[in-house]
Amino acid sequence: GNSVTQMEGPVTLSEEAFLTINCTYTATGYPSLFWYVQYPGEGLQLLLKATKADDKGSNKGFEATYRKETTSFHLEKGSVQVSDSAVYFCSPNSGTYKYIFGTGTRLKVLA
Amino acid sequence: DAMVIQNPRYQVTQFEKPVTLSCSQTLNHNVMYWYQQKSSQAPKLLFHYYDKDFNNEADTPDNFQSRRPNTSFCFLDIRSPGLGDTAMYLCATSRDSGAADTQYFGPGTRLTVL
Repeated sequence: GNSVTQMEGPVTLSEEAFLTINCTYTATGYPSLFWYVQYPGEGLQLLLKATKADDKGSNKGFEATYRKETTSFHLEKGSVQVSDSAVYFCSPNSGTYKYIFGTGTRLKVLA
Repeated sequence: DAMVIQNPRYQVTQFEKPVTLSCSQTLNHNVMYWYQQKSSQAPKLLFHYYDKDFNNEADTPDNFQSRRPNTSFCFLDIRSPGLGDTAMYLCATSRDSGAADTQYFGPGTRLTVL
């Protein structure tokens, strides 16, 4: 079955710092890869996704590249803001209803 | 705006007193899901519906049931809640079941069992 390993948090950064959150996965078939974000007191929402090898997903300054050879989908942002403080979940999906999420990485950005 | 709505946002119930959580969607998606998310953990899939077809995860307790009377609504019934069922319950939808299908989540219902 699918599994995902996500870097543990919390991650605390100063505003405008560079962010990397690592994610590696094992999956059956050819999964699509997602990053979801959960702001305090809310449900998850899609941040970005990539559906095939070497695709780059991007949104709100965040980027992640589908690396099939290393089974990774690391999330990056060049300059974080206080409003980026949230929990980030990596999720591979093979389309068999076996939706799984990483344990989540809590990001705290200080002004 | 099309969305996924959950009611109530907060629910407190007593030990072993049945409780029902509701979810509605205006996206007209085929698939609806229920997840349980305990504090500082990843969401855990309980079950899902593809249209009217119900699919239960193998490790979902029998205490948890679901109903989907129509495309728009889905309910989570907890027949005899235990203290360990205190959690956030998330409803989600997807247009279909493909690998590339994005899930759309509601804001969640935070359930406390006393």
